[in-house]
Amino acid sequence: GAGVSQSPSNKVTEKGKDVELRCDPISGHTALYWYRQRLGQGLEFLIYFQGNSAPDKSGLPSDRFSAERTGESVSTLTIQRTQQEDSAVYLCASSSYLGAPSETQYFGPGTRLLVL
Amino acid sequence: AQSVTQPDIHITVSEGASLELRCNYSYGATPYLFWYVQSPGQGLQLLLKYFSGDTLVQGIKGFEAEFKRSQSSFNLRKPSVHWSDAAEYFCAVGVAANSGYALNFGKGTSLLVTP
Repeated sequence: GAGVSQSPSNKVTEKGKDVELRCDPISGHTALYWYRQRLGQGLEFLIYFQGNSAPDKSGLPSDRFSAERTGESVSTLTIQRTQQEDSAVYLCASSSYLGAPSETQYFGPGTRLLVL
Repeated sequence: AQSVTQPDIHITVSEGASLELRCNYSYGATPYLFWYVQSPGQGLQLLLKYFSGDTLVQGIKGFEAEFKRSQSSFNLRKPSVHWSDAAEYFCAVGVAANSGYALNFGKGTSLLVTP
């Protein structure tokens, strides 16, 4: 389909390992977002990419978290030295940014991360 | 900072009954407000959004929401609930992020529909 896709859908890792999560936004969408949803919590904003502008990293919880985006396509979220509190569903969203805050964000199905 | 609060963690309604899910926002100016639904095993789907104009907003699946500035609320309503509406519902407000906007979400309301 033409929606946002994420991989893997599930990831189990051991504490201290690094993990890499991938997001493929909707083609043509210039804005890309990462959110985290911990059990019983709402979604937390992590990072936002808009075109070639510097990303907004204000939501990243620690320096173990980083993200990259190649142009206006794929993004990867990397978590280094994972901790058990990193266990969550990581959601990616994209939007066709026209400068308006009313732009709809389209979400992917998420990656469920479990850190043992 | 702009934020939203969803006071109800769980709500149970009978199929065919009316539904109202509460959302209160904290923001000085006119907020950009959204309702999303997350069904089991599925991604988040936008139900409706408000950013200006008519305060009664119509969405998909028969949902509507009313923006009430005097009450700082943006409650979601549906006149007759179907079993397929059982899901997690999130209210969100758009917040400035660099040159664009991200979303601040409430903690969600879980809807259970009984026969």
